Amino acid sequence: EVQLVESGGGLVQPGRSLRLSCAASGFTFDDYAMHWVRQAPGKGLEWVSGISWNSDTIDYVDSVKGRFTISRDNAENSLYLQMNSLRAEDTALYFCAKSRSRTIAAALNYWGQGILVTVSS
Amino acid sequence: DIEMTQSPSSLSASVGDRVTITCRASQGMSKYLAWYQQQKAGKVPKLLIYAASTLQSGVPSRFSGSGSGTDFTLTISSLQPEDVATYYCQKYNSAPLTFGGGTKVEIK
Repeated sequence: EVQLVESGGGLVQPGRSLRLSCAASGFTFDDYAMHWVRQAPGKGLEWVSGISWNSDTIDYVDSVKGRFTISRDNAENSLYLQMNSLRAEDTALYFCAKSRSRTIAAALNYWGQGILVTVSS
Repeated sequence: DIEMTQSPSSLSASVGDRVTITCRASQGMSKYLAWYQQQKAGKVPKLLIYAASTLQSGVPSRFSGSGSGTDFTLTISSLQPEDVATYYCQKYNSAPLTFGGGTKVEIK
């Protein structure tokens, strides 16, 4: 059974940093691209970032470029999102999601439960 | 970047009705389109359809997708109470993998 478990969220002040983690199990982690998707309170889904199976291809939504860094450790079956210079508008539930393919260009067929990040002073 | 526009933003229909949701892309994108169901905000989204018309394993056959290029459709052939949810389209041909704004489906 595929499981994706996010951790590392919480309340953080504007301008500070936070690192999210996603522990994956139940599938061959290094065969698939992975993504982060977020949902602000009462809003729709927003794709944040994706990383290919071997980390060769990485992309971000424009609003987080230069502030967020996605990475993965295939030996540890883990996905990460380093979030720096956080803003109030980054407040959201962050989902880790598995791609159907090794590349970023594929649908997301499994999702974690999400982890809440609140940016507020 | 390609923008994804869904319509309507919400709808109310009776059990057994046929429901159609539309997703329009601002540029052509072949069939790199997925549909997701989120039963409540904050709950885990579920992949329904990928490649515009391929049903994800385990998804009821009353769900279907069609379209290519810029215009795509999600159809629920006979609406059931458990289909109350918000539905999102997503393009995935290239980054950013943009989602549509969502369509909230309710029972009349």
